[in-house]
Amino acid sequence: AQSVAQPEDQVNVAEGNPLTVKCTYSVSGNPYLFWYVQYPNRGLQFLLKYITGDNLVKGSYGFEAEFNKSQTSFHLKKPSALVSDSALYFCAVRDRVGGATNKLIFGTGTLLAVQP
Amino acid sequence: EAGVAQSPRYKIIEKRQSVAFWCNPISGHATLYWYQQILGQGPKLLIQFQNNGVVDDSQLPKDRFSAERLKGVDSTLKIQPAKLEDSAVYLCASSLGERGGTYEQYFGPGTRLTVT
Repeated sequence: AQSVAQPEDQVNVAEGNPLTVKCTYSVSGNPYLFWYVQYPNRGLQFLLKYITGDNLVKGSYGFEAEFNKSQTSFHLKKPSALVSDSALYFCAVRDRVGGATNKLIFGTGTLLAVQP
Repeated sequence: EAGVAQSPRYKIIEKRQSVAFWCNPISGHATLYWYQQILGQGPKLLIQFQNNGVVDDSQLPKDRFSAERLKGVDSTLKIQPAKLEDSAVYLCASSLGERGGTYEQYFGPGTRLTVT
């Protein structure tokens, strides 16, 4: 079955420092991978996706993610963290198993805390 | 462009009562999803519609949950009777679907349900 894992429940980083939020995946076939961000009492906001092409994907708010097929990873990165980046981040993979089209399988989420 | 709309934002009911949630997707989006997000977990798909037809309802507890999408636009999700374990945030999302070729889903703000 398709799945994603987010090994860190929480990531702490100082404002201005680079940040990385980790995600690994397990899929059959080529993965379609996504990152979403969730602010308190808000729905999920789409950040970026990898479907095919360049391994480095750029998204909203200065975030980017690197697809690594050999390590089955899709880590989210940002060169310089902002306090306003503090939120819950979810990695997700598109599930094509069982005939479902476009169903997303989400990780458990990583809470990013950026200290001023 | 207006986003996905959901109502109500919050609902508190007693167990064994019934409740209904409403969703209006982004205009032109053929595919509509209902996800359940339990505290501390990633969202889990309950049901997926393509226009007004059900694509995937394999994880919908059909003895108590029902959903419909009349005319292929708005959708309602109903729980009857509610159980304590149904306390969660119910997220509605929409996407262009496979024909759109974009795959990302756009989420509404969610309805936080508390069952006492």
